[in-house]
Amino acid sequence: DAKTTQPPSMDCAEGRAANLPCNHSTISGNEYVYWYRQIHSQGPQYIIHGLKNNETNEMASLIITEDRKSSTLILPHATLRDTAVYYCIVRSGSEKLVFGKGTKLTVNP
Amino acid sequence: EPEVTQTPSHQVTQMGQEVILRCVPISNHLYFYWYRQILGQKVEFLVSFYNNEISEKSEIFDDQFSVERPDGSNFTLKIRSTKLEDSAMYFCASKNWDQPQHFGDGTRLSIL
Repeated sequence: DAKTTQPPSMDCAEGRAANLPCNHSTISGNEYVYWYRQIHSQGPQYIIHGLKNNETNEMASLIITEDRKSSTLILPHATLRDTAVYYCIVRSGSEKLVFGKGTKLTVNP
Repeated sequence: EPEVTQTPSHQVTQMGQEVILRCVPISNHLYFYWYRQILGQKVEFLVSFYNNEISEKSEIFDDQFSVERPDGSNFTLKIRSTKLEDSAMYFCASKNWDQPQHFGDGTRLSIL
């Protein structure tokens, strides 16, 4: 599975958009980009995933660059409850998810 | 929304004892997983299970570990003879074909 690089921490003001970047420059053609988050020792929570196209659901949007070497998770209107560690994971055929250290997002009032 | 349920939420066990962690996956899911997270560290994959057999396991998942789906609803992780370094949060996950994995809130295992 391709390696991902994320900033260790980010801050965001409540009500503003949170844009979390992820670099996956070694991603190969059949590998998906997944985003999960973990709120204070709870289980990882699935957010969104994509292959090539941008994706949107009720939680977030995922923007994948045309060369697929990086992506951005967008939380359009961050709330205090979005404070969590966000993990960008690249997955191919293997069933396992390989978690890195993620980005600790702090949403400030 | 259906969810993965894990019991107990906290398990305290003496070193050398056997422990069984229990999970009830989402009801129509066919793929099952265990992960663990030692305090302050990354979430680590342990094992995946499909069609009543292990499909993949990590180096952590040695002979002291086993998994079982004893009936149609439960999925268990057994640690035969616990060590201090087994203290961690253990997360169960499940999914259906080509869907994302959904995780439970974990069991905190403390080995004394």
